Amino acid sequence: KAGVTQTPRYLIKTRGQQVTLSCSPISGHRSVSWYQQTPGQGLQFLFEYFSETQRNKGNFPGRFSGRQFSNSRSEMNVSTLELGDSALYLCASTMDLQGRVTEAFFGQGTRLTVV
Amino acid sequence: AQSVAQPEDQVNVAEGNPLTVKCTYSVSGNPYLFWYVQYPNRGLQFLLKYITGDNLVKGSYGFEAEFNKSQTSFHLKKPSALVSDSALYFCAVRDMGGGSYIPTFGRGTSLIVHP
Repeated sequence: KAGVTQTPRYLIKTRGQQVTLSCSPISGHRSVSWYQQTPGQGLQFLFEYFSETQRNKGNFPGRFSGRQFSNSRSEMNVSTLELGDSALYLCASTMDLQGRVTEAFFGQGTRLTVV
Repeated sequence: AQSVAQPEDQVNVAEGNPLTVKCTYSVSGNPYLFWYVQYPNRGLQFLLKYITGDNLVKGSYGFEAEFNKSQTSFHLKKPSALVSDSALYFCAVRDMGGGSYIPTFGRGTSLIVHP
């Protein structure tokens, strides 16, 4: 069974540009979450999508957005990039079975560097 | 609200010795608790979870964790550490009674196992 796939693995962008990151969850998983990981802040929750709808949202500015497609694949977009957006962006998928608590499966992440 | 604390940024242990990585949590209801491990330039990998039942939970790679409700702790343990256990460890909590499906992660503890 294939794991969570994130593309690209590495990205270098210039301040003010925008970027789109992609995540393909494990087959059958309908919930996809995005996290930002930085050395100083640890793992910060961005948003979660379930069945193409944003179900939860963290405390990030509106420059950060996402979406989920009918095949559960998800993308996140960051517009008007700032130096502080440099981070490892992690995607996680869960099976999200009603009545069952399931663990998250993480992709390897996309390392974004803003220069 | 839910929160989790990992009081140690770094834990050092000699190979062959027992290891403990500490985690305390705060939830309004009952907790779901998780441990994940992250190797350099990789995503997080699930180690174990506590949902209900036996307070001692066994997980992958010989790790186990003990749920202590009175001390609101969920410490990760291993009887004999390996150099290959060196990695970043994250504890996560989700409030069983909360409406959110999103766990809160600790800031991580770097485990260094010396040969």
